[in-house]
Amino acid sequence: QKEVEQDPGPLSVPEGAIVSLNCTYSNSAFQYFMWYRQYSRKGPELLMYTYSSGNKEDGRFTAQVDKSSKYISLFIRDSQPSDSATYLCAMSAPPNEKLTFGTGTRLTIIP
Amino acid sequence: DADVTQTPRNRITKTGKRIMLECSQTKGHDRMYWYRQDPGLGLQLIYYSFDVKDINKGEISDGYSVSRQAQAKFSLSLESAIPNQTALYFCATSDETSDANTGELFFGEGSRLTVL
Repeated sequence: QKEVEQDPGPLSVPEGAIVSLNCTYSNSAFQYFMWYRQYSRKGPELLMYTYSSGNKEDGRFTAQVDKSSKYISLFIRDSQPSDSATYLCAMSAPPNEKLTFGTGTRLTIIP
Repeated sequence: DADVTQTPRNRITKTGKRIMLECSQTKGHDRMYWYRQDPGLGLQLIYYSFDVKDINKGEISDGYSVSRQAQAKFSLSLESAIPNQTALYFCATSDETSDANTGELFFGEGSRLTVL
């Protein structure tokens, strides 16, 4: 079993929809959780970062961490075609140590 | 110019050939990494370096070697390329002194390697 599991998709939704992306993990030592966004032919870029459990909101994006269930989510509200990308979850324990990545979910927003 | 630059961006080679992928950065970060990305497998760490004199193996180092020539330069070598090393390779940097302490990685745009 992989330490981090992520549904690879692909996921296609109409513009304006709410998107939910999820990862589960098995290592209870993970404390730092990130979401990276990767556009086609580009390297990943950090989108959201959260520490321990709870929610964090940044514009149309909300990251949730439930450490009791070992489950993290990224919600995208009012999705736009520019949100079409691959989203990778990543986590580490403690900070500035090696990140463990999910496999990535490929998302397409249909205009 | 990109903060993390990888060369070449694309390379096709034959089995048994020696290949070097180069990475240079202008971010002033001490930590540098090489990752491999394959469909369905995500990003896998090959090697990482926390400073010029520090080299560490990652999850999948077999068949690869690295050289940290300077703070800003980190190269990945395949001594004798084989077809299952066909993949997208990423160099990344991070700043251990970041006030945000997120461990954020800054990636290059990738080097696509095809081994025939």
